[in-house]
Order: sequence, then structure tokens, then C-alpha cells
Amino acid sequence: AQKVTQAQTEISVVEKEDVTLDCVYETRDTTYYLFWYKQPPSGELVFLIRRNSFDEQNEISGRYSWNFQKSTSSFNFTITASQVVDSAVYFCALSERVKAAGNKLTFGGGTRVLVKP
Amino acid sequence: EAGVTQFPSHSVIEKGQTVTLRCDPISGHDNLYWYRRVMGKEIKFLLHFVKESKQDESGMPNNRFLAERTGGTYSTLKVQPAELEDSGVYFCASSQELANQETQYFGPGTRLLVL
Repeated sequence: AQKVTQAQTEISVVEKEDVTLDCVYETRDTTYYLFWYKQPPSGELVFLIRRNSFDEQNEISGRYSWNFQKSTSSFNFTITASQVVDSAVYFCALSERVKAAGNKLTFGGGTRVLVKP
Repeated sequence: EAGVTQFPSHSVIEKGQTVTLRCDPISGHDNLYWYRRVMGKEIKFLLHFVKESKQDESGMPNNRFLAERTGGTYSTLKVQPAELEDSGVYFCASSQELANQETQYFGPGTRLLVL
């Protein structure tokens, strides 16, 4: 069975501080995908990144960066120089790639990030 | 290009009533998913359509929930009769496989409150 754990339920930072969100996962499959989604106050889940289990390269996109470590089953997310607009709930998710499409996502509980001006 | 849309955004009903949620996926997406988040819990998978066919409904909680996707376009999720524990946020997502990879794009959700 799959499981995703986001141990931090809420993080509060002051603008321009860096913030790292932890994500630890469990799966018995060797092929899987990891995702991060952002849920702003408007409610929709916004896709941020997808990572294949075969690709352990870290990724940077603007102020966002992701650290994938299979050895510790972690896929952590860092926001550098946080801004008020980063305030949201962030979800980590896992899908076992059973087939090319139609793979259900298993979500972590989410981490609420509050960036204060 | 329009994203996934859901209607209504909010619904407040009494226990025993019926509610129907609607999801319009991104145009051209064959895969459509329903998820829900009940208070204090994780977002959980409910079911998956490919076009008009149900591929996986392992997450449907019980037979009070009925999902349809007639014509393979929009989908509806009906709860009849609604119970208090059905309160939560119901998300719809859609995807289309590209280059052997899939990303699910989510709608804004429908917030259901059963009183």
C-alpha cells in the first residue's frame, strides 16, 4: 500500500525567508511518480511538479526547488525568498505507475504555509 | 484553454437529501477522476473514468454514491441520500496521457455540507 506523510501541518514564516516542506513516501513499486500541488485560498489544486522515480535529479523552477532522495524516500520542496502570494496549502502526492494513465494519486495531509509580510 | 470546472462551488443540504455535483474536464482529456477530502483527512481517490467507462471505482465509499460520465465529456457525482459524514470537498481532475506520462489537473472543488 502507498502512503505519503507530510509531518508539518503548518509553517509560518516572514516574507523573504526560505521554507522547506517535507514529504516522505512509502511504496513497494519500483516505478512511481511524485507530485506537488499548491492549493491557494481560491481552492483549486494547482500542479507544480511531477517527478519520475527513475530521475533523482533535483529541480529548480524560479524560487521553487525540489530535492528527491530515493534512499530516504523523500521528496522535499523548498520555497526560496518566500512571498505573501506563496501562502497556501501544499500537497505531496504519489502514484504507482501501473499503466500509462489512470493511476490514482495518494496524497499527504498537506502543509499550510503562511507567509507574513 | 479552460481548466477543469466544477459546479456548484458550494452546496448545503440536509441529511437525507440528494445532491448532484458536476465536473467538466479539460477539453480532450479522456481520463476523469473524482477525489474528496473530508474534514481533517487526506484527499482520497473515489473513482476514475476513461471516456464514458468506469475503470476504477475502488474508492467509492458506498452505494449512496453514483458517478456517471455520459458521452465521455462531463461527469456527475450524485449522493443519495446524503449523510453527515459526506461533508467535505469533492475534487475532480482530468488528464491525458502524453509521451507515456500523465499529470492530473484539478478543478476548484465543490464544498458540500450536510446538516
